[in-house]
Amino acid sequence: KAGVTQTPRYLIKTRGQQVTLSCSPISGHRSVSWYQQTPGQGLQFLFEYFSETQRNKGNFPGRFSGRQFSNSRSEMNVSTLELGDSALYLCASSFIPGGQETQYFGPGTRLLVL
Amino acid sequence: DQQVKQNSPSLSVQEGRISILNCDYTNSMFDYFLWYKKYPAEGPTFLISISSIKDKNEDGRFTVFLNKSAKHLSLHIVPSQPGDSAVYFCAAKAAGNKLTFGGGTRVLVKP
Repeated sequence: KAGVTQTPRYLIKTRGQQVTLSCSPISGHRSVSWYQQTPGQGLQFLFEYFSETQRNKGNFPGRFSGRQFSNSRSEMNVSTLELGDSALYLCASSFIPGGQETQYFGPGTRLLVL
Repeated sequence: DQQVKQNSPSLSVQEGRISILNCDYTNSMFDYFLWYKKYPAEGPTFLISISSIKDKNEDGRFTVFLNKSAKHLSLHIVPSQPGDSAVYFCAAKAAGNKLTFGGGTRVLVKP
């Protein structure tokens, strides 16, 4: 069974631009969560989607948004990019949200904002 | 506030010996704990998990211990192998799917 895939793997943008990252969960998994990893803040939860609905949101500004499609694939968008948005963005999937479900991570998208 | 803490940023161990990684948490609502291994510029790889109703879970060379009263968990890797050199993250979750991560412990296994 294929793992979580994320595209693109690397991205360079300039301040003020916007970016869209894509995540395809493991086949059969319906819950997708997004995380940001930076050297200063570590791994932080962005948001979680299940059945095309956002179920939970972390403490990030409204510039960070996401959505989930009927096939469980998810996208996240960051508008008006800032230098501090440079990070590794990770997507994780699980069969269902909550309970004792393990989340499996994709390889991440490395975003560099210049 | 940091709800999950890994107080040792790094650990060096000889090949074949035991690696012990520690993690402390403050939120008593956490009911599921996971350990992930991560290489630079890659996503975390799931290693092992434990439910709050258990105090030990074992999978091959990996054993996780949970002490609920102390709000402490540990990961034992035995025997340690050079391929185990990576950053290890402890994570916890309460209701929902939000994982709260510790800051990570960098493990170096010396041949």
